[in-house]
Amino acid sequence: SQQGEEDPQALSIQEGENATMNCSYKTSINNLQWYRQNSGRGLVHLILIRSNEREKHSGRLRVTLDTSKKSSSLLITASRAADTASYFCATDAGQAGTALIFGKGTTLSVSS
Amino acid sequence: EPEVTQTPSHQVTQMGQEVILRCVPISNHLYFYWYRQILGQKVEFLVSFYNNEISEKSEIFDDQFSVERPDGSNFTLKIRSTKLEDSAMYFCASSPIQGALEKLFFGSGTQLSVL
Repeated sequence: SQQGEEDPQALSIQEGENATMNCSYKTSINNLQWYRQNSGRGLVHLILIRSNEREKHSGRLRVTLDTSKKSSSLLITASRAADTASYFCATDAGQAGTALIFGKGTTLSVSS
Repeated sequence: EPEVTQTPSHQVTQMGQEVILRCVPISNHLYFYWYRQILGQKVEFLVSFYNNEISEKSEIFDDQFSVERPDGSNFTLKIRSTKLEDSAMYFCASSPIQGALEKLFFGSGTQLSVL
């Protein structure tokens, strides 16, 4: 079934460094979304990029989308300890009304 | 900012018992979802609901599961006869627009433990 797969599974960096997480998916999509989950909490939407967009920015976040490679990346610049969380990409299956399917996530740990 | 609320935050039940997980979606949203996350694993889609009927469901959502919007504000997930493998965090979500075309707003989840 349609889903995103993130890599790496886990990433440990120092405060101030950049963190890059990648997501690959299998079929055509309308959009791709990134969510964040703090330990034991619900998911919080970070950013949505549509299939006709190549790059999008939101504060310290930069998302790219390459539909030819069926991949996306999330870059967090100048990371902070508070960025420690799991990050998930989520995709639809290219048809309106279908469910949003999540990948397995990347666990980011930022140490101060 | 409006938010999705879920109750209870923790639920412990015996295997074979029925449980009802409750959610209050954001008031002007029309589409409602349940997801679950087994500890340390990915977030799995269960069901989506629109206009008082199921619009899509996954293979996880078998006949032991049901959803209901009983009173125009609450959205519930019922598990008829719980199994050990139903232990997970269950998330409710809502959105103003159909499907995955816009972002979902998630509640904080109900941790279900089946003993």
